[in-house]
Amino acid sequence: NAGVMQNPRHLVRRRGQEARLRCSPMKGHSHVYWYRQLPEEGLKFMVYLQKENIIDESGMPKERFSAEFPKEGPSILRIQQVVRGDSAAYFCASSEQRGSYNSPLHFGNGTRLTVT
Amino acid sequence: AQSVSQHNHHVILSEAASLELGCNYSYGGTVNLFWYVQYPGQHLQLLLKYFSGDPLVKGIKGFEAEFIKSKFSFNLRKPSVQWSDTAEYFCAVAPSGSARQLTFGSGTQLTVLP
Repeated sequence: NAGVMQNPRHLVRRRGQEARLRCSPMKGHSHVYWYRQLPEEGLKFMVYLQKENIIDESGMPKERFSAEFPKEGPSILRIQQVVRGDSAAYFCASSEQRGSYNSPLHFGNGTRLTVT
Repeated sequence: AQSVSQHNHHVILSEAASLELGCNYSYGGTVNLFWYVQYPGQHLQLLLKYFSGDPLVKGIKGFEAEFIKSKFSFNLRKPSVQWSDTAEYFCAVAPSGSARQLTFGSGTQLTVLP
């Protein structure tokens, strides 16, 4: 059973370009979470999605960031007009149900975004 | 908002030594606590978790952690480490009933020398 797949592993963008990060959850998982890890910091929650619905985006920056989880295909985290401060590791996690004792989160390997 | 502190950024041990990694959190309510591990080149994996009940939690690979509510701590322990335990270890906290809203510590890199 393949785990959570994130691609690309590394992404380099110039300031002002767009970054698209993809996440395919584990088979049978319909809940996806995105986390960001800034240098020297812990992972911080960004957004929680179910298929075609954003459930909680309280951790998302108000501008330039968006996320979707369409009925078909991977979840996409999109960052428009990237700035140097967006350089970070972005982790996706999935779960079978809403995160709970019996439905732990499974994490992908992350996408390391570097903005030059 | 909750926060998590891991005091040791890098720990180096010899094989068979005992391990204790510190984790302290701050949050005003009831919490769920987790330890995750990231082996080199791999994704984060759940090591163990505490939701309620016995404050001494046993996880995979011989790890355990003890929740001490009065100290707001959830330290990770292992009596005898192996070279294969070399990895980065993350402590995380979430408000009770909201396991998705994890807040992670900055991680502790453990290096075990053969």
